[in-house]
Amino acid sequence: SQQGEEDPQALSIQEGENATMNCSYKTSINNLQWYRQNSGRGLVHLILIRSNEREKHSGRLRVTLDTSKKSSSLLITASRAADTASYFCATGGSNYKLTFGKGTLLTVNP
Amino acid sequence: GAGVSQSPSNKVTEKGKDVELRCDPISGHTALYWYRQSLGQGLEFLIYFQGNSAPDKSGLPSDRFSAERTGGSVSTLTIQRTQQEDSAVYLCASSPGASGANVLTFGAGSRLTVL
Repeated sequence: SQQGEEDPQALSIQEGENATMNCSYKTSINNLQWYRQNSGRGLVHLILIRSNEREKHSGRLRVTLDTSKKSSSLLITASRAADTASYFCATGGSNYKLTFGKGTLLTVNP
Repeated sequence: GAGVSQSPSNKVTEKGKDVELRCDPISGHTALYWYRQSLGQGLEFLIYFQGNSAPDKSGLPSDRFSAERTGGSVSTLTIQRTQQEDSAVYLCASSPGASGANVLTFGAGSRLTVL
């Protein structure tokens, strides 16, 4: 069964705007990760946040984690057309298994 | 190799045939995962290998699916008597499997079409 659920399922914005995607999960986690997928092929790791962290930054990416609400958000600032992709959250437990959500399809219009 | 290699990249087969999909993980990575992604859907966990431990097969959808990992390296996912609902992209990923969080490196996937 899917652990993470992303929201919204699809998001369309203009270049230069910020994009926010949310992820909710059900059970305890050790870490939460965000991945990006272009063209329905392999996923690329973007950022990892551990359960004892609340916020993390990487370039134009900002991830927050609220373990009390079992939720995370991914913010992409100053979006570019090249950011168009599907974004997935994945939750990691104590046994290295990663469980992925269904993803958010982000479209950035030039 | 530098990345995770999967073959074939595309496979078209007839219903009822068996198929084998291969994954060559990053050298030294002890953890290997297979996921399935149907059109427009998320990733469905299939099976996970960690070192010499017994694999976690809890995601395999039926007994027509099996996977092995020889010598702790290359893995083969076998689907017997394929059905049309098996059509999907099969993604393999590996991770170092060391202590701490596991970051997965994915292959480009094998797209399976069952006619």
